[in-house]
Amino acid sequence: ETGVTQSPTHLIKTRGQQVTLRCSSQSGHNTVSWYQQALGQGPQFIFQYYREEENGRGNFPPRFSGLQFPNYSSELNVNALELDDSALYLCASGTGNQETQYFGPGTRLLVL
Amino acid sequence: AQSVTQLDSQVPVFEEAPVELRCNYSSSVSVYLFWYVQYPNQGLQLLLKYLSGSTLVKGINGFEAEFNKSQTSFHLRKPSVHISDTAEYFCAAHTGGFKTIFGAGTRLFVKA
Repeated sequence: ETGVTQSPTHLIKTRGQQVTLRCSSQSGHNTVSWYQQALGQGPQFIFQYYREEENGRGNFPPRFSGLQFPNYSSELNVNALELDDSALYLCASGTGNQETQYFGPGTRLLVL
Repeated sequence: AQSVTQLDSQVPVFEEAPVELRCNYSSSVSVYLFWYVQYPNQGLQLLLKYLSGSTLVKGINGFEAEFNKSQTSFHLRKPSVHISDTAEYFCAAHTGGFKTIFGAGTRLFVKA
């Protein structure tokens, strides 16, 4: 049990819609990272937030955006959904040096 | 550029046999190395990590890994596997920055 929770567990959307995924980090962790894991692949880094500011970004377009709140919760927003956005989305929290990340169980998104 | 390569996509093994899951990384700077396990429909659970110090790292569930700087490897081993070890295993690395790079995963299948 990592203390990191995500909601919802599953979600179905249609192409062109927008989605918001939520993560509640472990208490005291001031960084949160989001990853996309397509079926049969390893997780791909989307971005990281540190003290409510974006701290780095992977190779994802601007329609992937995020927010981090003072209460250790965060959101991943995806606009204009595409079929290829279907994946498991994982959030991970940690401390500033990011030596170790603690992953949530993920949200499985299906885009039809 | 930093990369992580898991050399085997699938590893079938009989119960109580030893197993080695291979991981190579490339980085021009010092790295932190991790192994995670993912059970079906779940998030990632940290098995073990190498940050510095002793090159032999022991983790949970009887797993261990050895950091070999000259061969840029971080192979995961277990002397005797159980049916319950059947899962997907991911090797990961980061350089202390914001981005963790994951390998594509190795599916360990333990047969009775």
